[in-house]
Amino acid sequence: DGGITQSPKYLFRKEGQNVTLSCEQNLNHDAMYWYRQDPGQGLRLIYYSQIVNDFQKGDIAEGYSVSREKKESFPLTVTSAQKNPTAFYLCASSMTGGSPLHFGNGTRLTVT
Amino acid sequence: SQELEQSPQSLIVQEGKNLTINCTSSKTLYGLYWYKQKYGEGLIFLMMLQKGGEEKSHEKITAKLDEKKQQSSLHITASQPSHAGIYLCGADKGAGNMLTFGGGTRLMVKP
Repeated sequence: DGGITQSPKYLFRKEGQNVTLSCEQNLNHDAMYWYRQDPGQGLRLIYYSQIVNDFQKGDIAEGYSVSREKKESFPLTVTSAQKNPTAFYLCASSMTGGSPLHFGNGTRLTVT
Repeated sequence: SQELEQSPQSLIVQEGKNLTINCTSSKTLYGLYWYKQKYGEGLIFLMMLQKGGEEKSHEKITAKLDEKKQQSSLHITASQPSHAGIYLCGADKGAGNMLTFGGGTRLMVKP
């Protein structure tokens, strides 16, 4: 079955450590996205990529980095510069041209 | 930037009752998406509306976009416990497929 896989589902890190969240899709979608969701809030866009080897900052990119070396993969690194990293992170992908986003099941990151 | 306001923020209904969730935009909507999220999981796409006055239905869920394309509503008929979750509206930011989302409406359905 085609879909988006995020791993791990739960991640715990100590403050000051960088951590990388995995996102893989086999839907042959060109575009991929990272969103952050905080309790009681909607989703906020961190980074997006519309084509391999290219990506753009979203609304809250500070303290995060991404890479898009392969069409199927769009890993997100949460760096120690991110002041409030504890959150639920959602990866999505889509075809271009106004088609709906397909979401993974998320990674819940807790930094203590 | 485009702001999306959802109301109500939370809703508890008795099984079998109808309910409506609203999504209001500060700007004209060029693409409005409705998603459902179960607690701690990803978002499931429900419907997409693009034209003023458009209405779409899937099973017991109906979504509408007003003529001015600044407000959308999601209506559930004869609610069931399986309808419980968080409903989010998302709007096309106008450059690619990036969406801006409302704050979500948390729905609980009491059996």
